[in-house]
Amino acid sequence: DAGVTQSPTHLIKTRGQQVTLRCSPKSGHDTVSWYQQALGQGPQFIFQYYEEEERQRGNFPDRFSGHQFPNYSSELNVNALLLGDSALYLCASRTAGEATDTQYFGPGTRLTVL
Amino acid sequence: DAKTTQPNSMESNEEEPVHLPCNHSTISGTDYIHWYRQLPSQGPEYVIHGLTSNVNNRMASLAIAEDRKSSTLILHRATLRDAAVYYCILTYGYGGSQGNLIFGKGTKLSVKP
Repeated sequence: DAGVTQSPTHLIKTRGQQVTLRCSPKSGHDTVSWYQQALGQGPQFIFQYYEEEERQRGNFPDRFSGHQFPNYSSELNVNALLLGDSALYLCASRTAGEATDTQYFGPGTRLTVL
Repeated sequence: DAKTTQPNSMESNEEEPVHLPCNHSTISGTDYIHWYRQLPSQGPEYVIHGLTSNVNNRMASLAIAEDRKSSTLILHRATLRDAAVYYCILTYGYGGSQGNLIFGKGTKLSVKP
């Protein structure tokens, strides 16, 4: 049973560029959340997708956008990259109908903005 | 959102039990207590969760106080692989959730050989 997968593993971009990160949820899961983790900090919630719509959003600017596909996989897009966007980006999945909100995380994508 | 308080760091010796405390005095009746851990350079890993009763799984045990205002994650025999940051998180557990896990700074566990 495959867990949550993310691609790419590492990415280097320059300021002002745009980036797309990808996530495939754990088998049987239909809800995907994205988190940003700066060095030395706990992950911070960006947004959550369910039924191909953004359902909840954290305190992140509109430069951060996403998409969910019919197969439940998801993309995170960041436009106009800033140095401060350098972080580990984590994807987590769960089943919407499950009351406990146990989420399963992928290994993350390490984004470096130069 | 209900918040949790954990010590910044703890040390343990290999093969000894470890008790990681978490205070959550503002917990509501429908909040689940979750524990995740994050090994260096990896994503967080689900460890265990509970609501009112103590819970055991292959990774750890979760002891929940009777008033639910605190809990303790118990690793029965620490190994070097258990060195990680441990996060105690409350999740709203009514008919599905808010989907937003609020991570604090967690407890950094060091395990000495």
